[in-house]
Amino acid sequence: SQTIHQWPATLVQPVGSPLSLECTVEGTSNPNLYWYRQAAGRGLQLLFYSVGIGQISSEVPQNLSASRPQDRQFILSSKKLLLSDSGFYLCAWSPWDRWETQYFGPGTRLLVL
Amino acid sequence: AQTVTQSQPEMSVQEAETVTLSCTYDTSESNYYLFWYKQPPSRQMILVIRQEAYKQQNATENRFSVNFQKAAKSFSLKISDSQLGDTAMYFCAFTKGGSEKLVFGKGTKLTVNP
Repeated sequence: SQTIHQWPATLVQPVGSPLSLECTVEGTSNPNLYWYRQAAGRGLQLLFYSVGIGQISSEVPQNLSASRPQDRQFILSSKKLLLSDSGFYLCAWSPWDRWETQYFGPGTRLLVL
Repeated sequence: AQTVTQSQPEMSVQEAETVTLSCTYDTSESNYYLFWYKQPPSRQMILVIRQEAYKQQNATENRFSVNFQKAAKSFSLKISDSQLGDTAMYFCAFTKGGSEKLVFGKGTKLTVNP
């Protein structure tokens, strides 16, 4: 069966510091991968998605970036965090041949102070 | 652009009773998929149920079932025999066929009372 991991689970970072959140998927090959952000009390906002290694599509212009160095690894980064980057970050995956159905990881709580 | 509307910000139900959460959507697409996701206090999004637009039969998953009214663009979730563990935010979501993008509603907070 497939599983999706995210780490860290919780992160407290000062403004201006860098960020690296990691997501990995097990038990499948060539998945579509996604990064979402959920601000407190709000819905999900799609940040990035990837259909293959090195292929990244950005949905929202911001100071965040994403990379996919390996087939089942998706990384969300920032060079300098802003207060507005605080939120709950969810990684998701969908099968390459059934991409309409997304499965989510446990998420990372990010607090920027 | 597609939109998903959940008109009930909060709902509550007694344990063992049945509750229905509403969702409407707007699209001009003919090939699309609809979903209900559950987000408990742990905040992990869990897929509850999935419906293909081309299927007339309503999807069911154990105590969870949907009422899919394609002409009315309505996709409600019925939870039977509600349990305390059903307490969560419930999000309705839409994606058109061939798209990687899910469009979410703003969610309904469901509380199951003992």
